[in-house]
Amino acid sequence: QMQLLQSGAEVKKPGSSVKVSCQASGGTFNNNAVTWVRQAPGQGLEWMGRIIPLLDITNYAQNFQGRVTITANRSTGTAYMELTSLRSEDTAMYYCATVEGYSSSYCRYWGQGTLVTVSS
Amino acid sequence: AIRMTQSPPSFSASTGDRVTITCRASQGISTYLAWYQQKPGKVPKLLIYAASTLESGVPSRFSGSGSGTDFTLTISSLKSEDFATYYCQQYYSYPPFTFGQGTKLEIK
Repeated sequence: QMQLLQSGAEVKKPGSSVKVSCQASGGTFNNNAVTWVRQAPGQGLEWMGRIIPLLDITNYAQNFQGRVTITANRSTGTAYMELTSLRSEDTAMYYCATVEGYSSSYCRYWGQGTLVTVSS
Repeated sequence: AIRMTQSPPSFSASTGDRVTITCRASQGISTYLAWYQQKPGKVPKLLIYAASTLESGVPSRFSGSGSGTDFTLTISSLKSEDFATYYCQQYYSYPPFTFGQGTKLEIK
């Protein structure tokens, strides 16, 4: 059973950047797609983007294009999501998620979430 | 991008009720649809994928159906632990793999 462990909560100033990590245990996601999902307080789930480490392919939602970068370190089994030019509206819980293989990108395994608070 | 519209946004039901939640895609997505359950303060949980395949360990009172643009999640007999918010997600073809806006199921 794969488990995803995310880095801890962050408090950031507007205009700064945040980088959240997601490490797999009990398996590797090198052959998977790793998805990042955002959830603002009291709001729904928002698909941000994904990476397929095996193919070195990344895709981003239009809403985040230009501000988000998703990367992966295959040797350590860790994925990263960096969001730049932070604003108050980016205050949210950020989740990584994955499923076996990369042909179907639904989310079977989820990280515990990383709360990012953007405040001056 | 494909838009996913869930209905209703929220509703109330009682334990033992049969409940159906609908998810409509703005274009055909075959059966590339998943359903999730999320309780307050918790991580979303996969219930169903490929529109109708029950995830391992999910009670059989949950079922999914549909293909193309119209999908349903049915809970055959509500239990107290089923009161939560439910989301659909399409993962057809090419990203973005959008979520519906959610359906909040509350106790009547």
